[in-house]
Amino acid sequence: GAVVSQHPSWVICKSGTSVKIECRSLDFQATTMFWYRQFPKQSLMLMATSNEGSKATYEQGVEKDKFLINHASLTLSTLTVTSAHPEDSSFYICSASPLAGADTQYFGPGTRLTVL
Amino acid sequence: AQKVTQAQTEISVVEKEDVTLDCVYETRDTTYYLFWYKQPPSGELVFLIRRNSFDEQNEISGRYSWNFQKSTSSFNFTITASQVVDSAVYFCALSDYGITQGGSEKLVFGKGTKLTVNP
Repeated sequence: GAVVSQHPSWVICKSGTSVKIECRSLDFQATTMFWYRQFPKQSLMLMATSNEGSKATYEQGVEKDKFLINHASLTLSTLTVTSAHPEDSSFYICSASPLAGADTQYFGPGTRLTVL
Repeated sequence: AQKVTQAQTEISVVEKEDVTLDCVYETRDTTYYLFWYKQPPSGELVFLIRRNSFDEQNEISGRYSWNFQKSTSSFNFTITASQVVDSAVYFCALSDYGITQGGSEKLVFGKGTKLTVNP
């Protein structure tokens, strides 16, 4: 149980294009999903907290107009990187918390974004 | 502010050795959760354990054991008889209890310890 998927697992795009990453909780409902970013050999940095049906809460220093988050249902949250640039290349990881026992986050497999 | 320190950046052991990964945390909250996650080379984080601040009992799960010491703000992780498959980056993390929203709160991660188990 508690499986979280991400799609795509990797993506290469040209500078200036937008990329959408999906995060799905497969066998549970999640009112809260989190988006993290991880640079090579570094820790996970929280970008934003996504609550179903409401606006995401962004961490300090994260541009909300660049990283658009939509949490349309209890099983799906999306992160769109708009007008991507090479410095946006990173490993993006989402996590989700079940409605019950909401204190444990289960992580997706991550999406590796490379912007050329 | 919350902070998690994993002082060991990299550890290398030979198979069957025991290894302890250190984690020291800082928080002003009296109620909080501590976690350990494993990140193998594939990248996916695997949940290992959650411990709440009220429960200082040590836990053992197979070859894994955890030592929670509130007095020293530490939550160390020991792998007994390590195996090559244990090679990964291990993250310790801390979160609030989620009292403000009645749900989960954000995790603060340490920088991780890369464990290499050699045959």
